[in-house]
Amino acid sequence: DTGVSQDPRHKITKRGQNVTFRCDPISEHNRLYWYRQTLGQGPEFLTYFQNEAQLEKSRLLSDRFSAERPKGSFSTLEIQRTEQGDSAMYLCASSRASGSSSEQYFGPGTRLTVT
Amino acid sequence: SQQGEEDPQALSIQEGENATMNCSYKTSINNLQWYRQNSGRGLVHLILIRSNEREKHSGRLRVTLDTSKKSSSLLITASRAADTASYFCATDASGAQKLVFGQGTRLTINP
Repeated sequence: DTGVSQDPRHKITKRGQNVTFRCDPISEHNRLYWYRQTLGQGPEFLTYFQNEAQLEKSRLLSDRFSAERPKGSFSTLEIQRTEQGDSAMYLCASSRASGSSSEQYFGPGTRLTVT
Repeated sequence: SQQGEEDPQALSIQEGENATMNCSYKTSINNLQWYRQNSGRGLVHLILIRSNEREKHSGRLRVTLDTSKKSSSLLITASRAADTASYFCATDASGAQKLVFGQGTRLTINP
């Protein structure tokens, strides 16, 4: 399967713990995005990379959140000192770079529950 | 914050009927995309319409775009039970790469 993959699919953690999620984009895509989605809402943008460079971060991305894409391939999203409000679906997407935006292809998401 | 609104928030129709969902947005855009999301799953890209296009078709899907009204509609013809899902429109503001999503329309197709 050559789609976007995310790991783990589900994560339950206790408040105050750190968690890390991984995203593997479609191999020929050099743009990678992270979004967060809460119940009943549409996804909200968190950050995006072009190759290994993190080019934009949302104000939603507090200092407890950090994302990396060290070799321009897979990416990790870490949340430190998790809070109950961090409970959400974390979605990763990838796309080709083009003059204007192109279709973004989403992974299945990681559902985080903070207890 | 969300870019705009989708209307209706929920829609329930009989199998075989057509379903129409509307999306409004606030800023100038490069393109508008529609996605489908089955319960608790990732988003599936359906169709992209560029700002200089007015209508686009893909199978049973028809999308229109009116940039003067900052609105779009998605029509699904001859609906099937498998079309039951949430549908989101997403826009990218000129010069931006991120997508800004609406709150979605929850579509239920009754057999």
